[in-house]
Amino acid sequence: DAGVTQSPTHLIKTRGQHVTLRCSPISGHKSVSWYQQVLGQGPQFIFQYYEKEERGRGNFPDRFSARQFPNYSSELNVNALLLGDSALYLCASSLGTGRTTGELFFGEGSRLTVL
Amino acid sequence: QQQVKQSPQSLIVQKGGIPIINCAYENTAFDYFPWYQQFPGKGPALLIAIRPDVSEKKEGRFTISFNKSAKQFSLHIMDSQPGDSATYFCAARVSGSARQLTFGSGTQLTVLP
Repeated sequence: DAGVTQSPTHLIKTRGQHVTLRCSPISGHKSVSWYQQVLGQGPQFIFQYYEKEERGRGNFPDRFSARQFPNYSSELNVNALLLGDSALYLCASSLGTGRTTGELFFGEGSRLTVL
Repeated sequence: QQQVKQSPQSLIVQKGGIPIINCAYENTAFDYFPWYQQFPGKGPALLIAIRPDVSEKKEGRFTISFNKSAKQFSLHIMDSQPGDSATYFCAARVSGSARQLTFGSGTQLTVLP
């Protein structure tokens, strides 16, 4: 079975542009989470979606938005890019949101560089 | 209160050594503590996890020790191998509907042959 897949793997943008990152969860997983990992730091939680509804939001500005589609895939959008948005964006999927179904499986990430 | 503090930042051991990575937390609502392993260019992969009602959990060469009263937990890697060279992250999660993990800052482990 395929793991969590993310696209694109690498991309370069300039300040002020917007970016859309995509994620396909593991087959059967209904929950998708997004994390930002700045070089040399641990991942930071951005959003969690379950059954197409937002279930959690981290401390990120409104420039960051996301959605989940009926097939459980997800998009993360970032508007008005800043240099500080340069990071590895990780998508993680899980079966559900319950105590025993919450193990997170991460994709390999999308490396965003903002010039 | 949401922070998880991890130490050391980097660690170098000889093959066969037992590296120990430590984490501390403040939020007593955390009820799930996983460790992730990350190789360069890859996403984090779940290594082992523990809940606060257990003081120790062992899976293969990896052991988590958990001290609820001190609000600390640690990862021990027995008989470490060069292939264990990676960055290790501890994390914690509050029970609830969101899969929000709070990660430590990471430990870069190098195991020398």
